[in-house]
Amino acid sequence: NAGVMQNPRHLVRRRGQEARLRCSPVKGHSHVYWYRQLPEEGLKFMVYLQKENIIDESGMPKERFSAEFPKEGPSILRIQQVVRGDSAAYFCASSPPFGTSGGAMAKNIQYFGAGTRLSVL
Amino acid sequence: AQKITQTQPGMFVQEKEAVTLDCTYDTSDPSYGLFWYKQPSSGEMIFLIYQGSYDQQNATEGRYSLNFQKARKSANLVISASQLGDSAMYFCAMRREGSGNTGKLIFGQGTTLQVKP
Repeated sequence: NAGVMQNPRHLVRRRGQEARLRCSPVKGHSHVYWYRQLPEEGLKFMVYLQKENIIDESGMPKERFSAEFPKEGPSILRIQQVVRGDSAAYFCASSPPFGTSGGAMAKNIQYFGAGTRLSVL
Repeated sequence: AQKITQTQPGMFVQEKEAVTLDCTYDTSDPSYGLFWYKQPSSGEMIFLIYQGSYDQQNATEGRYSLNFQKARKSANLVISASQLGDSAMYFCAMRREGSGNTGKLIFGQGTTLQVKP
């Protein structure tokens, strides 16, 4: 099974540009999470999505940030008009549906992609 | 509110020895899960081990074991027979479980482990 795929791995943007980060979950996983990691810090939850629905966006900044997980295609985290403070590593994780039986599936373990390192100049 | 505390910013261990990474947590939820992830210098996040709050036994996965002490609200990671490849940042995390669970993980600040040859 292919793991969580994130692209690009590195993204450089100038202040005011838009950043689009993509995440393809593990095949069969219907839950996607986005986290942000600032240098020397732990990951901070941003948003939780299921197909075509935002379930929990309590960690998303109120402005400039948006996320989607369409019926077809990858999940997208979009940052408009980037600022230097947006420079961070952005991780996507996926998990199977809750209540799935058997082993790690039942524990709804979140498996992470390798992250996208965003640098804002 | 949930909180994870990792008090050891950095740890050293001699190759082939065991090491314990500390993690304490705070939550008022009756049901929760505890996780450890490894982040090597390459940056990816690797799942290591999971412990449910109602699990009767401590979780083990190969050389990793989780020393779960519910009354003390601690979930320390024990790595036995350390290897050079264990050098990495280690994160403890928790999530609410049961009704109202959205699955989001709350992470600690991390502990950097260096294994000496």
